[in-house]
Amino acid sequence: EAQVTQNPRYLITVTGKKLTVTCSQNMNHEYMSWYRQDPGLGLRQIYYSMNVEVTDKGDVPEGYKVSRKEKRNFPLILESPSPNQTSLYFCASSFLGGSTDTQYFGPGTRLTVL
Amino acid sequence: EDKVVQSPLSLVVHEGDTVTLNCSYEVTNFRSLLWYKQEKKAPTFLFMLTSSGIEKKSGRLSSILDKKELSSILNITATQTGDSAIYLCAVEGKDSGYALNFGKGTSLLVTP
Repeated sequence: EAQVTQNPRYLITVTGKKLTVTCSQNMNHEYMSWYRQDPGLGLRQIYYSMNVEVTDKGDVPEGYKVSRKEKRNFPLILESPSPNQTSLYFCASSFLGGSTDTQYFGPGTRLTVL
Repeated sequence: EDKVVQSPLSLVVHEGDTVTLNCSYEVTNFRSLLWYKQEKKAPTFLFMLTSSGIEKKSGRLSSILDKKELSSILNITATQTGDSAIYLCAVEGKDSGYALNFGKGTSLLVTP
């Protein structure tokens, strides 16, 4: 089954404790992206990647890191989480072609930073 | 700066009603506009509209892109309680790579 998976689905942590949220897709998509969703602000892009070893900042990259060492994986790293990073995070992937393809979204990771 | 504005923010209707959701955008070198439906989980894709495909229809849902007015509407006819969700509009500009700018969404509640 074609899908985007994220782990963990729920995470409660404390300020300053490094964490990683994993994202994996099994559709051989080149493009992968991370979003955060907050009430009243909608979905905002954090980082995206157009292929292995190619990453770029989205709208709200501060406090986040990403890596793309393999095509299927795109982990989101919070080196020193802070309470303002409490949010719902979505990973998404799609093919790259002559025009934008559908983005497939993961199930979301609800992060709480105390 | 690219901008996507959806209206209304929230809507409550009775089953069987028809609703129209709006999305207006400002983007450099428009490439595509996408509609998503989000229930209590990740957004699911509904439609993609580009300059070469300005009207899409699937069952009770349809969407039109107005390139002149820089806007799109999403129509849902004969609404059902299962249509209750947040509807997201996203726009892609050619200059932003493949980054999507999302609107804040329209929350639709369909009551029995």
